[in-house]
Amino acid sequence: AQKVTQAQTEISVVEKEDVTLDCVYETRDTTYYLFWYKQPPSGELVFLIRRNSFDEQNEISGRYSWNFQKSTSSFNFTITASQVVDSAVYFCALSEAFASGTYKYIFGTGTRLKVLA
Amino acid sequence: DTEVTQTPKHLVMGMTNKKSLKCEQHMGHRAMYWYKQKAKKPPELMFVYSYEKLSINESVPSRFSPECPNSSLLNLHLHALQPEDSALYLCASSQEKGMAGGREETQYFGPGTRLLVL
Repeated sequence: AQKVTQAQTEISVVEKEDVTLDCVYETRDTTYYLFWYKQPPSGELVFLIRRNSFDEQNEISGRYSWNFQKSTSSFNFTITASQVVDSAVYFCALSEAFASGTYKYIFGTGTRLKVLA
Repeated sequence: DTEVTQTPKHLVMGMTNKKSLKCEQHMGHRAMYWYKQKAKKPPELMFVYSYEKLSINESVPSRFSPECPNSSLLNLHLHALQPEDSALYLCASSQEKGMAGGREETQYFGPGTRLLVL
């Protein structure tokens, strides 16, 4: 069965520290997609990144970087020089395909990040 | 523009009321989703519409009734809800198929409706 594990329930860091959020997944599919979303207190899930199973290149976007390793089934997310505005709940998700062609997300339980000034 | 809008932002209703949540997107997406999210939990899928047809119903109680009048709109009709139905209701949309017909299922979420059932 498909599964996403975010073992870190809550992380607190001081501003300007680097922080890594872990995501481990299980799937039998050979082609799959992984996602990270940010959910600030306002509630909206903000899309951060999508990675397909054939692309193992790490990605950097400003202070954000992602490390995808198929060998360990992990898709970790690092924030460099964290800021108070980074405080949010971060969800990792895996897409699951249905025969109808529709997809659904398998979400991890989320990691709450608190960045203290 | 990756905007999904939802109305209302907040809703308080009694257990005998009938109300509707609305969701709209103008990105040309052909799949739309309703999620329910309780505090400190991940979103939980309720329904998926693909090309305006109900594709997935995750065994949701009949007091929740989805409707997709056209490819841009998604409604969730609420009737005889229970206090435990109080939650954040999120709508999302995705393209379903990419430009070359391949997979493109990135979901874009709206800001949600915070529902309180008294």
